[in-house]
Amino acid sequence: GENVEQHPSTLSVQEGDSAVIKCTYSDSASNYFPWYKQELGKRPQLIIDIRSNVGEKKDQRIAVTLNKTAKHFSLHITETQPEDSAVYFCAALNTNAGKSTFGDGTTLTVKP
Amino acid sequence: GAVVSQHPSRVICKSGTSVKIECRSLDFQATTMFWYRQFPKKSLMLMATSNEGSKATYEQGVEKDKFLINHASLTLSTLTVTSAHPEDSSFYICSAARSGQRFYAFFGQGTRLTVV
Repeated sequence: GENVEQHPSTLSVQEGDSAVIKCTYSDSASNYFPWYKQELGKRPQLIIDIRSNVGEKKDQRIAVTLNKTAKHFSLHITETQPEDSAVYFCAALNTNAGKSTFGDGTTLTVKP
Repeated sequence: GAVVSQHPSRVICKSGTSVKIECRSLDFQATTMFWYRQFPKKSLMLMATSNEGSKATYEQGVEKDKFLINHASLTLSTLTVTSAHPEDSSFYICSAARSGQRFYAFFGQGTRLTVV
């Protein structure tokens, strides 16, 4: 089955700096890679996603890059703000199967 | 975006009783729903895949007799924790999917189960 590894497990940055979270996956059949933000006690919220036929996608301060050959994808947050503080999860899935495999999460703390 | 509603959001039950959690897709038909369990400060662990009109597929290590899943319609799946024990206390989250769409990405709000 799919195995997703996520690094780092914790990340602390100063407000205004950039944050990068990296994930690797093992199953070459995975073709959809969403990123979620989860605040304490709440549901994960999709913040950005990328399909395997695309190398990069950007949405305002958030971007995701995908290297299908190396089987890794990354989340980039620029100009971080305190409200970006949360746990971020990456996931990989094969849309034909539908089952997501999640990374272990990264706790991001943005210091004012 | 697609809306997935989960109920209840919090439940406290006595040890030995059963608890039912509902997951509804409000604006689309979900042929498949997924049930996850999340421990504090941990990732989401897939428990089972619920397919409308057929038996659920359980992940290895998940007791199917303890965690009963029913997906009776295209908009509703239920998870029943039977004979609950304190170690079943956790955050349970569902997500709903429609084949070929990006609805895999949408989760219910989660249910905090506490067994006392």
